Amino acid sequence: KNEVEQSPQNLTAQEGEFITINCSYSVGISALHWLQQHPGGGIVSLFMLSSGKKKHGRLIATINIQEKHSSLHITASHPRDSAVYICAVGRGSQGNLIFGKGTKLSVKP
Amino acid sequence: DTGVSQDPRHKITKRGQNVTFRCDPISEHNRLYWYRQTLGQGPEFLTYFQNEAQLEKSRLLSDRFSAERPKGSFSTLEIQRTEQGDSAMYLCASSFGGGIQETQYFGPGTRLLVL
Repeated sequence: KNEVEQSPQNLTAQEGEFITINCSYSVGISALHWLQQHPGGGIVSLFMLSSGKKKHGRLIATINIQEKHSSLHITASHPRDSAVYICAVGRGSQGNLIFGKGTKLSVKP
Repeated sequence: DTGVSQDPRHKITKRGQNVTFRCDPISEHNRLYWYRQTLGQGPEFLTYFQNEAQLEKSRLLSDRFSAERPKGSFSTLEIQRTEQGDSAMYLCASSFGGGIQETQYFGPGTRLLVL
């Protein structure tokens, strides 16, 4: 079993829909990261959180430390949101991240 | 701030050849990471530097792999005697801080194909 699991693996939505991507992890963490990867490989950090909730524009990330679960929400989705969304966790004083396999999101106009 | 850069962006080589990749982090960043990503998978950690010191190496980093960051600025990742299984995207990331976790900034990656 992977230490970081994401669901769903693939997600197709219509423009305007509310989207939720889930991440569960099985190890102790110091922080959880949500990343966005576009075709061609470039990765952008969206959020880093260790508790509660963060919001940036139409994106919202939540984490429940007790349940070892995080969600990424996209409100009013748009075709430009189409990308792979990756959950990653950091542990202790180590800087390296453990990544999930990613969720491929396609938003249709 | 020009972001993290990697060179080359693409590399095709024959099995058994050596290859070297370069990563230039954001200038004030003291931490530098190398990751490898195969098709359809999330990235996997390879190694990590704080300044010029290599502080951690993954079990994935076999003896054929070596990484350096000689002056605490740019880093190189060398793969000797490449194998077809080395074909992947090699990602570099950098961050600043001495805390437990910081935002990592990723480069565009070097895509390696071993024939």
